[in-house]
Amino acid sequence: DSGVTQTPKHLITATGQRVTLRCSPRSGDLSVYWYQQSLDQGLQFLIQYYNGEERAKGNILERFSAQQFPDLHSELNLSSLELGDSALYFCASSSRDSRETQYFGPGTRLLVL
Amino acid sequence: AQSVTQLDSHVSVSEGTPVLLRCNYSSSYSPSLFWYVQHPNKGLQLLLKYTSAATLVKGINGFEAEFKKSETSFHLTKPSAHMSDAAEYFCVVSLSGSARQLTFGSGTQLTVLP
Repeated sequence: DSGVTQTPKHLITATGQRVTLRCSPRSGDLSVYWYQQSLDQGLQFLIQYYNGEERAKGNILERFSAQQFPDLHSELNLSSLELGDSALYFCASSSRDSRETQYFGPGTRLLVL
Repeated sequence: AQSVTQLDSHVSVSEGTPVLLRCNYSSSYSPSLFWYVQHPNKGLQLLLKYTSAATLVKGINGFEAEFKKSETSFHLTKPSAHMSDAAEYFCVVSLSGSARQLTFGSGTQLTVLP
């Protein structure tokens, strides 16, 4: 158990809908990262937050957004969902954003029908 | 830019024989390198990491990896495979500096035969 929690574990929704994925980092970790794992794209970095502020952006679509709250939990919002958004979404956390190991949560499996 | 190439998408070994999973990296700066493992329907677990200390890195479950700058490689090895090692393994690179996003290789599926 990495100490990173993600909810929900599974999510089934329809095209055009909006969902919110939640992540609680390990106690004391200030950085939260979101990754998407799909069959065709592999594991891709989406976005990083550090202590409430956006720090880095990767291959995140404009339909997706994230935020990190004062209690350091983070939410990833996916809107106008398409079939191709079906994937496993991982959250990871680290204590700082310099040379620290990222610990991954169990993931949220999203299925868009 | 940084990237990693995992040279084998599938590796199959017999239980008790050595494991070698190959990874080459490309990075303009001094990288941090990691190996993560993903068991079926599970999250990603860190096996080991290299951050410019010793070039031979020991990880969990008997795995180790050697950083070879001249060959830009970071191959993962284990002397004797166990059935529980069957999983997907990812070689990962992270640049030094303020941006800590990880770049993942495409993964190597390890099968362990009885």
